[in-house]
Amino acid sequence: NAGVTQTPKFRVLKTGQSMTLLCAQDMNHEYMYWYRQDPGMGLRLIHYSVGEGTTAKGEVPDGYNVSRLKKQNFLLGLESAAPSQTSVYFCASSLNVFGNTEAFFGQGTRLTVV
Amino acid sequence: AQKVTQAQTEISVVEKEDVTLDCVYETRDTTYYLFWYKQPPSGELVFLIRRNSFDEQNEISGRYSWNFQKSTSSFNFTITASQVVDSAVYFCALSEAWFRETGANNLFFGTGTRLTVIP
Repeated sequence: NAGVTQTPKFRVLKTGQSMTLLCAQDMNHEYMYWYRQDPGMGLRLIHYSVGEGTTAKGEVPDGYNVSRLKKQNFLLGLESAAPSQTSVYFCASSLNVFGNTEAFFGQGTRLTVV
Repeated sequence: AQKVTQAQTEISVVEKEDVTLDCVYETRDTTYYLFWYKQPPSGELVFLIRRNSFDEQNEISGRYSWNFQKSTSSFNFTITASQVVDSAVYFCALSEAWFRETGANNLFFGTGTRLTVIP
């Protein structure tokens, strides 16, 4: 049982490049989330999904897009990377809303945009 | 407004000392949940505890204990007889109903407290 797996773990991008971060969970969870972690700011929600085929905006969605074509996968896309998107990105999943169940987090993706 | 405040940015203790990490939260909801997560140097987030707003009983798990006080909106975390392996960043988080149109909610994280246990 792998839990939540993020790919890649590290990436360096040039300004203006695009990339996709993949999150995969094998727990049959309905809810999936993408967070970013910046120094001194804790984690902030970018986008989330309440089920296959659904996505919604979180606190800091600008500059990102997401897709949830399959229940087990949640993709985070950066169409034109900017230095302000340098961060550590965490994916999470939960069976139900936070509180009713625990959230499981991936190991994070460290992205640097130069 | 900050929903979760962890005023202690960094704490250092000598091994075997007790240490308390403070967490103060803000919410208008009557139903909410509080969490603590540990982020060791390896970077992953490890779930420690979940507590709902209707359960003010303190909880103890081995060397860890949590004190939830609604009167002061605090959910403090104490490590007894600290060990080097406790060195990590600890996050307190609050979940409340936020995205009412989708039925989902969010985890609001504090800024974390970096604990260093010196051998």
